[in-house]
Amino acid sequence: QQQVKQSPQSLIVQKGGISIINCAYENTAFDYFPWYQQFPGKGPALLIAIRPDVSEKKEGRFTISFNKSAKQFSLHIMDSQPGDSATYFCAARARGGSQGNLIFGKGTKLSVKP
Amino acid sequence: NAGVTQTPKFRVLKTGQSMTLLCAQDMNHEYMYWYRQDPGMGLRLIHYSVGEGTTAKGEVPDGYNVSRLKKQNFLLGLESAAPSQTSVYFCASSPDPLNTGELFFGEGSRLTVL
Repeated sequence: QQQVKQSPQSLIVQKGGISIINCAYENTAFDYFPWYQQFPGKGPALLIAIRPDVSEKKEGRFTISFNKSAKQFSLHIMDSQPGDSATYFCAARARGGSQGNLIFGKGTKLSVKP
Repeated sequence: NAGVTQTPKFRVLKTGQSMTLLCAQDMNHEYMYWYRQDPGMGLRLIHYSVGEGTTAKGEVPDGYNVSRLKKQNFLLGLESAAPSQTSVYFCASSPDPLNTGELFFGEGSRLTVL
């Protein structure tokens, strides 16, 4: 019940295309859903996050879509660029006594071809 | 702006040896975390701390110990290294994970146990 399932494991997109990464969860106690971006040799960094009281959040070319009833959320990268090539992790946080610990998905390696 | 600094960045150990990874943050954050990252496994929480002098177990604590003697430092120790502990270790800190939710990661420490 604590898992966050992420797909696909890897993704190749042409420059200018749309990259879509999906995550699903079971625990209805999750109240915060961030996406982290990690470049090779670097630590993950927060990209964008959403709370379950909204269905969509957009920041530039990055959009999170959230479907509370289906317990799914996804990251859309519009007009994908080679500089977006990185590993993306979705995550979820359970409200309550967990001190805000995040549960991470297994990651998606995105390659954007020129 | 140093942020979260991990030392060493690379280390090779023989089975049974001990070592300590050091994490230092200069952002005055209360919360600190140690994660390990393995291919296809995402980020898994080893131990965490909610303040100076406190530590708690995460998802995969076996074989590791931690200490938080000073607010800015979080040490991860391996008493008797095993090949299964070959991984990339990431330290992270957060000012208030239950509110902002953002984790700030270091650049990682790559450990190989032969």
